[in-house]
Amino acid sequence: SQQGEEDPQALSIQEGENATMNCSYKTSINNLQWYRQNSGRGLVHLILIRSNEREKHSGRLRVTLDTSKKSSSLLITASRAADTASYFCAKNSGGSNYKLTFGKGTLLTVNP
Amino acid sequence: EPEVTQTPSHQVTQMGQEVILRCVPISNHLYFYWYRQILGQKVEFLVSFYNNEISEKSEIFDDQFSVERPDGSNFTLKIRSTKLEDSAMYFCASRGTTLYSNQPQHFGDGTRLSIL
Repeated sequence: SQQGEEDPQALSIQEGENATMNCSYKTSINNLQWYRQNSGRGLVHLILIRSNEREKHSGRLRVTLDTSKKSSSLLITASRAADTASYFCAKNSGGSNYKLTFGKGTLLTVNP
Repeated sequence: EPEVTQTPSHQVTQMGQEVILRCVPISNHLYFYWYRQILGQKVEFLVSFYNNEISEKSEIFDDQFSVERPDGSNFTLKIRSTKLEDSAMYFCASRGTTLYSNQPQHFGDGTRLSIL
């Protein structure tokens, strides 16, 4: 089964515009985490949203979670060229080791 | 801000050779992980490590793989006899200063492993 699937797979916008990326999952979660990956680099943690939360903000980032629809979205407002990266959602189902299950990611390109 | 460090950044190895990838997790973290990302594919979980033992491993983590935390600071991934399909970016991660579950994992920059 597919877990943590993002859409769109690629998104190209102009600087200053907002970018919305979506993530769906199949089974229950303990929390859902969003990460950014610049080309060839490591994964940078952006936001963690717990299963009992509906919305969370961090600077220009806003994450929502709808557990009834098993989906989450990441909104980046007033995008900048430096936001160009791949964005991944990762599902944490709890258990004894809290491993993450990643989706395929959305490649965001912000054009100056 | 504390970070996870990985060495080397790039490792080129002949097929069949042993390779050791090294990681220094964040010092007071309790849980340690290895993930891999084959080019163009998802990040996949390999293994988790807690309290000096493996707590979970994926199907990918077969007998050719092993992990160690030899000295309380380093966390290593060893592949005994590498195959072409082991070529990937390998990420180390750590989390958790307590048993509280809602803490993020912090990743290193990865080691790009190329098997020739």
